[in-house]
Amino acid sequence: GAVVSQHPSWVICKSGTSVKIECRSLDFQATTMFWYRQFPKQSLMLMATSNEGSKATYEQGVEKDKFLINHASLTLSTLTVTSAHPEDSSFYICSASGTSYNEQFFGPGTRLTVL
Amino acid sequence: GENVEQHPSTLSVQEGDSAVIKCTYSDSASNYFPWYKQELGKRPQLIIDIRSNVGEKKDQRIAVTLNKTAKHFSLHITETQPEDSAVYFCAASVNTGFQKLVFGTGTRLLVSP
Repeated sequence: GAVVSQHPSWVICKSGTSVKIECRSLDFQATTMFWYRQFPKQSLMLMATSNEGSKATYEQGVEKDKFLINHASLTLSTLTVTSAHPEDSSFYICSASGTSYNEQFFGPGTRLTVL
Repeated sequence: GENVEQHPSTLSVQEGDSAVIKCTYSDSASNYFPWYKQELGKRPQLIIDIRSNVGEKKDQRIAVTLNKTAKHFSLHITETQPEDSAVYFCAASVNTGFQKLVFGTGTRLLVSP
């Protein structure tokens, strides 16, 4: 099956700093990548959708200037959490889709802790 | 927009019993309905999916049924095993120019030996 990697798997940072998370599709070209946030014991909440070479589409309530998304190639998307605060601590998961059949393949997630 | 409701939120069964999780969706244009299993701290794993042109799909102990008229779909797990214990999420597709998924709230399944 399709493999999606995510790096780093966990990160601890100080409040006010920025953190970059990478999402890569390893064995297929991802036309679309999705970024989710998951708080403990809650569901996956879509933050934004990115297509290669175009601006990301953010879900309602997600600050685009705080969560910067770049989809530089068909195999790489990055999420940068700018000026992170403790309330941004969460599990961030990306997924990638390379077909028109909706199937999304998930990365292993990044646990962000902001002190 | 699309709204997906999932029930129950928790489900405890004895090993060997069957488990059923139900979801309803609101957007009649949704045409893809995957089910994911997520273990603690891990990524969601696709276990089965169904598209709107079929009413039922089965893969060994797992089956999914879809009722487009009533806008609900269900996950059926037979002969449950302790390793089936996890959180299960249903999802429905939303076509907004690209196909995104809206997830249900999740069901925590506990299978006791």
